[in-house]
Amino acid sequence: SAVISQKPSRDICQRGTSLTIQCQVDSQVTMMFWYRQQPGQSLTLIATANQGSEATYESGFVIDKFPISRPNLTFSTLTVSNMSPEDSSIYLCSVVYNYGYTFGSGTRLTVV
Amino acid sequence: GENVEQHPSTLSVQEGDSAVIKCTYSDSASNYFPWYKQELGKRPQLIIDIRSNVGEKKDQRIAVTLNKTAKHFSLHITETQPEDSAVYFCATIAGTYKYIFGTGTRLKVLA
Repeated sequence: SAVISQKPSRDICQRGTSLTIQCQVDSQVTMMFWYRQQPGQSLTLIATANQGSEATYESGFVIDKFPISRPNLTFSTLTVSNMSPEDSSIYLCSVVYNYGYTFGSGTRLTVV
Repeated sequence: GENVEQHPSTLSVQEGDSAVIKCTYSDSASNYFPWYKQELGKRPQLIIDIRSNVGEKKDQRIAVTLNKTAKHFSLHITETQPEDSAVYFCATIAGTYKYIFGTGTRLKVLA
């Protein structure tokens, strides 16, 4: 399966600031996905990132708040902008590999 | 849109007993049904999956059954062990590779 390196693993940020999360995949993949997992909750899709095109956002998520870059087939970033305590969550990237999802190790974000 | 209901939300079993988690989906076009295990502080990991052309799949102590007519699929864990304690998520595909996850089941295996 694909191996994903995600960083940072955790961060504590001040409200009003931004954090960029990076995911590097060890093989070329067409689609990358960004999920949010709030404490004790399920996984909610934020957006789908395809190389060479704008990311596709799910209902309730907007590009100004969660800008995404996908410069090539092995790398993507998600930025959480103008953070508030409600953004405290785990953020995970994932890729499709042989039909199944492989997840990055996650970024635990705490906004204070 | 696609919706996946998962039950129960929590499940406690004695070590050695069986555990069953059930998911119900709404989109009749769904054709792939994976199950993920998430241990505390770790990423979700695929443990078993089933495609719509089969009714059951087994891998050692875990199995998944699918009833397409009733639109539900279940995870069965036999001879449970303490290391099976985790949160389990079902999922289906809605559209091209976009997963919809269930709400999760916290399984506790009591020694």
